[in-house]
Amino acid sequence: DAGVIQSPRHEVTEMGQEVTLRCKPISGHDYLFWYRQTMMRGLELLIYFNNNVPIDDSGMPEDRFSAKMPNASFSTLKIQPSEPRDSAVYFCASSNLLGTSGRFSYEQYFGPGTRLTVT
Amino acid sequence: DAKTTQPPSMDCAEGRAANLPCNHSTISGNEYVYWYRQIHSQGPQYIIHGLKNNETNEMASLIITEDRKSSTLILPHATLRDTAVYYCIVRVASGGSNYKLTFGKGTLLTVNP
Repeated sequence: DAGVIQSPRHEVTEMGQEVTLRCKPISGHDYLFWYRQTMMRGLELLIYFNNNVPIDDSGMPEDRFSAKMPNASFSTLKIQPSEPRDSAVYFCASSNLLGTSGRFSYEQYFGPGTRLTVT
Repeated sequence: DAKTTQPPSMDCAEGRAANLPCNHSTISGNEYVYWYRQIHSQGPQYIIHGLKNNETNEMASLIITEDRKSSTLILPHATLRDTAVYYCIVRVASGGSNYKLTFGKGTLLTVNP
């Protein structure tokens, strides 16, 4: 498997524009997570899905952020309208409840991230 | 979840063992200790986890004290590529609506040539 795939790797946009980040999880994984990382706030969980259903979106900063998972192999995180304070690296991760050992695990596999800059 | 305390930074010589400590004095009996690392500009990477027994895999060893109040991640022969931020996370096994991790600030390990 190619691992978690994210696109684009870099995105530069102007304030007020819509931004869409994309993620393809590892095949067979039933959990998908979106994180945001900044120097000030560290790595924060925004939302996660189980079997394509959003389970916890308490980390989503505000209504400008939305995430969808239309099928098991694709998810999007959308920011509309974008603001300079949204500048960060956004990571997608996927996992199975049972890890590689076949027992319960929090083994999450992260993608390379999307570096978003909003000017 | 139990709070963890890690030193903000550590240094290690290349080829030597790197021993990264984590204090989790309020850990409860059903909480696991997880270790992740994040190499610069990459996503975090799972390393190892354990409950009370010591664990070893191809990446590292995890030593948990008998009282479970602290643990040490050991990289037996550190290389320059092991320079990264290492996160220690304590978490109870819980799926469904509570299947998530909280990453703290971690320890920046710098491996020097």
